[in-house]
This record gives sequence, structure tokens and C-alpha cells, in this order.
Amino acid sequence: DTAVSQTPKYLVTQMGNDKSIKCEQNLGHDTMYWYKQDSKKFLKIMFSYNNKELIINETVPNRFSPKSPDKAHLNLHINSLELGDSAVYFCASSQVTGPQETQYFGPGTRLLVL
Amino acid sequence: AQTVTQSQPEMSVQEAETVTLSCTYDTSENNYYLFWYKQPPSRQMILVIRQEAYKQQNATENRFSVNFQKAAKSFSLKISDSQLGDTAMYFCALRNSGNTPLVFGKGTRLSVIA
Repeated sequence: DTAVSQTPKYLVTQMGNDKSIKCEQNLGHDTMYWYKQDSKKFLKIMFSYNNKELIINETVPNRFSPKSPDKAHLNLHINSLELGDSAVYFCASSQVTGPQETQYFGPGTRLLVL
Repeated sequence: AQTVTQSQPEMSVQEAETVTLSCTYDTSENNYYLFWYKQPPSRQMILVIRQEAYKQQNATENRFSVNFQKAAKSFSLKISDSQLGDTAMYFCALRNSGNTPLVFGKGTRLSVIA
């Protein structure tokens, strides 16, 4: 069983388009995250949600809008895509009061903006 | 602010040998967690090992072990009996307790040579 899944795994699109990436976790975790990995492999937090509530928004342009319909899902919608948005986007989840507080990552979505 | 520094962008090791990857960090918190994640070419983020700051004993997972020096804020990863499948990017990461995201180092690219 896949613990944290993301769709799509690859996304190629034109500048100016709007796209969404979906994330689902079946671990029963209460906190979910979006990370961005740039071309130099650097990973940085974008957003964090706990029980559907936004708790962290790290100076991300407002073209990026996360949505959490329930605590098992955290989707990322991106408006007016720019070349600099090309990256790998990772979803992750954790249980705040869990025994290890370890974050588990999805497989990543490689976004290429042309 | 939390920071994580990995001073070795690339390393290589002969198969069956031992290699140590360095990581230093900075945080003002007293309760935090440290992690090593592995990212093979498949780009999946895989947890290798974790360490709770309040535990003095170094964590060990099969061929992987850490040298945690809290006073020096150092958290190195030792891989024994290196295998070809260990070839990957290795990221050191830090997080505080609770609803906090991971802060990553820039990664070390490890190549295991036959």
C-alpha cells in the first residue's frame, strides 16, 4: 500500500497555465506538507497544514494556493505558471504526537514549465 | 532560525568500505529531531535514520549509524560495508518538536564504486 501518493508524477506545461498537484496519505497523520526541490536539489518547505488548517506559509508567491479538503488530502494549485516554477514538488505527512514524528514523503511531482 | 550545513557536495567510496558524511546544524531549541534521508535517482525521499536530541545514545540502523555530538551540533552519518545501492543524494535534516517542517542541508552526492 502506498503511504503518501502524489498525482501526477510528471507535469509539462506552458508558461501562464494553471495546474494542480494532488496528494493523499493513508497513514492517518494529522499534518501534511509541501516542499519544493529546485534544480540544485535544495529542498525547502512551502506550506504546512494541520487538520486542514494552514499553519505554515513560507513566503511563497500567492500564485500557489494549497487546499486541504480533509486531513488525508493536501492539493497544490498553481496559477499563471512561470519558468522558475520548474522543480520537483514533494508532499509529506507526519503525526505530531506520533512516536517518531517522522515525515514520510510522496514520490514527488516533476513540473516542467516551458 | 534553524540551519543545516553539509560541507561535502560529493563523495565516493569503494564497495564494501566505510564512509562518513558530515552534517552540522544550528538551532536555539532544546527539543529537536535530526534525520538523514536518502534520495536515489528514482527521486524518492527515503528515511535512513533518525535521532532524538534528548537521547545521548547514537542511533543505529543495520549498516547505518550516526555520531551525534550535541554540544558541537554535529550529526554525521556512517555507512559501513557500502553497497552499490547506497549510491544516492543524502540529506541531513532538522526539525523541532511539534508542527514544524524539516530544514534540510544542501545534500551530499555519494557514489559507491565497484
